[in-house]
Amino acid sequence: GAVVSQHPSRVICKSGTSVKIECRSLDFQATTMFWYRQFPKQSLMLMATSNEGSKATYEQGVEKDKFLINHASLTLSTLTVTSAHPEDSSFYICSAVPGMSNQPQHFGDGTRLSIL
Amino acid sequence: DAKTTQPPSMDCAEGRAANLPCNHSTISGNEYVYWYRQIHSQGPQYIIHGLKNNETNEMASLIITEDRKSSTLILPHATLRDTAVYYCIVRVEYGGSQGNLIFGKGTKLSVKP
Repeated sequence: GAVVSQHPSRVICKSGTSVKIECRSLDFQATTMFWYRQFPKQSLMLMATSNEGSKATYEQGVEKDKFLINHASLTLSTLTVTSAHPEDSSFYICSAVPGMSNQPQHFGDGTRLSIL
Repeated sequence: DAKTTQPPSMDCAEGRAANLPCNHSTISGNEYVYWYRQIHSQGPQYIIHGLKNNETNEMASLIITEDRKSSTLILPHATLRDTAVYYCIVRVEYGGSQGNLIFGKGTKLSVKP
């Protein structure tokens, strides 16, 4: 089945640090990837849609200059949390859609980000 | 996208069938019913989806009512590892740039020994 790999699985860093999270589709090409955020005891909230070769589309309330998304290839999208602060601590999850078929969306295992 | 309503929690005995209901009374004709589950501290896992016919795969069965206003996910023999939050989502079937899923609160299924 389709596999989406997310790295790192856990990050702990100091306030003010920028953190990059990678999302890779391992056995399919993904023209579209999605980035979600999940706070404790809440559901997943879509942050942005990442399209290969073009700018990401951000959901309302998500700062594009703080959450930088790059989708440079059909198998890799990155999310960089710039100048992270404690309120950015969350569970970040990516997903990918196979580009040429009506396959379901597949998710990575998430990145637990803790900002001290 | 149509909204779904699920019970917040359910219990099931290990080895028994788990039947998870979902109401989607405003579903449109071209919207599919998708089921995902999320085990604690992991990303959501796709389970099954369907349009109007009942579907079955190695994980579960999906029963959709004739009027498509509700559906039931059936785990035929629940195990402790099936303990998770189950999300029912309605969405047009997608390809390409469509496809973000809107997650509700889901049903927390607890499988007990």
